[in-house]
Amino acid sequence: NAGVTQTPKFQVLKTGQSMTLQCAQDMNHNSMYWYRQDPGMGLRLIYYSASEGTTDKGEVPNGYNVSRLNKREFSLRLESAAPSQTSVYFCASSERAWVNQPQHFGDGTRLSIL
Amino acid sequence: DQQVKQNSPSLSVQEGRISILNCDYTNSMFDYFLWYKKYPAEGPTFLISISSIKDKNEDGRFTVFLNKSAKHLSLHIVPSQPGDSAVYFCAAGEETSGSRLTFGEGTQLTVNP
Repeated sequence: NAGVTQTPKFQVLKTGQSMTLQCAQDMNHNSMYWYRQDPGMGLRLIYYSASEGTTDKGEVPNGYNVSRLNKREFSLRLESAAPSQTSVYFCASSERAWVNQPQHFGDGTRLSIL
Repeated sequence: DQQVKQNSPSLSVQEGRISILNCDYTNSMFDYFLWYKKYPAEGPTFLISISSIKDKNEDGRFTVFLNKSAKHLSLHIVPSQPGDSAVYFCAAGEETSGSRLTFGEGTQLTVNP
């Protein structure tokens, strides 16, 4: 049972390059999320999708776009990467868009922007 | 404005003893709280949660206590095991406002054999 799968696991970009991080879940969950984690900080929500066809901004959406491709897949795009976007990115999913529904996380994508 | 704070970046305990991890919050609208555990190179995994209608929730060796008046929650692990060594994040949200969570910075727990 794979759960939440993120690709790639590691990536190095140059400033100004674009990139799409992929996320897929096989738990038939309705809601999906993108977070970033920086040293000394907790996970911060970038964007989320409460259900297929909807997306909403989180705490730190600037510089990112998302696409809920279907119920399984939720991608995060950096159009013009900046060094401040160097981070570990986590995708998560939950059965419903309620805080009492635990979120299941992927293993992360470590992104470095030079 | 850090609405959820874990003031101890690290904690070290002996195997078999109690581990107590603390978390404070400032937003009085938060009414649901969760703890996640994270091993290196893995994503966080859900551990235990508590609603504001309760002041305690237990699951095996793990107990979460909530003090609403102090805006404080704690996670107790008894007895601690070396496999519990991980980063622990607390998170908070509002049950009537969807699924958005605010996470603390995390506490690195090390359980020494």
